[in-house]
Amino acid sequence: ETGVTQSPTHLIKTRGQQVTLRCSSQSGHNTVSWYQQALGQGPQFIFQYYREEENGRGNFPPRFSGLQFPNYSSELNVNALELDDSALYLCASSLYTSVMDEQFFGPGTRLTVL
Amino acid sequence: GEDVEQSLFLSVREGDSSVINCTYTDSSSTYLYWYKQEPGAGLQLLTYIFSNMDMKQDQRLTVLLNKKDKHLSLRIADTQTGDSAIYFCAEDSGYSTLTFGKGTMLLVSP
Repeated sequence: ETGVTQSPTHLIKTRGQQVTLRCSSQSGHNTVSWYQQALGQGPQFIFQYYREEENGRGNFPPRFSGLQFPNYSSELNVNALELDDSALYLCASSLYTSVMDEQFFGPGTRLTVL
Repeated sequence: GEDVEQSLFLSVREGDSSVINCTYTDSSSTYLYWYKQEPGAGLQLLTYIFSNMDMKQDQRLTVLLNKKDKHLSLRIADTQTGDSAIYFCAEDSGYSTLTFGKGTMLLVSP
């Protein structure tokens, strides 16, 4: 059983550019959540995808968008990058049930916006 | 709105007990969690507690929950240098999403 993987590991972009981050969920999981972790802060929920549909969204602007594919892998897209978008982006996968769903986190993608 | 607060830093000696504290505001949270993050790594779930429990013990870890005061604590017995990391308290916010505190950096000295 493979864990959650994310790519790339590190990325440097300039203000105004667009970026796509990728996440492969753990085998058997149908839900992917994305979090942004700024330096010295806790992770903040961006959005969640369940069976290819957005299933909840945090307080992030529309330039943060996502996709989930039939194999439950996911992408996070950020348009018009701003300096404050520099952060560690974490993906977590889980099996959505009616009881406690343990989320398994990937190692993250470190995005630097110059 | 929901907010989770933690003390930022804790320093202990190897072999001592560590206690990390957290307060939360969403009384409807069903589960409360403790995660560990080591440098350059993602988050690792350490333990969780169901909201109708007062205490949960898991080997060296003890979680205490005071629902009246919305206070959660994590006690690590016989703390080791390998326990040095950032510890996050988190509450579920519905739809399997989590609200995290800012994290407590635990430094264990030999």
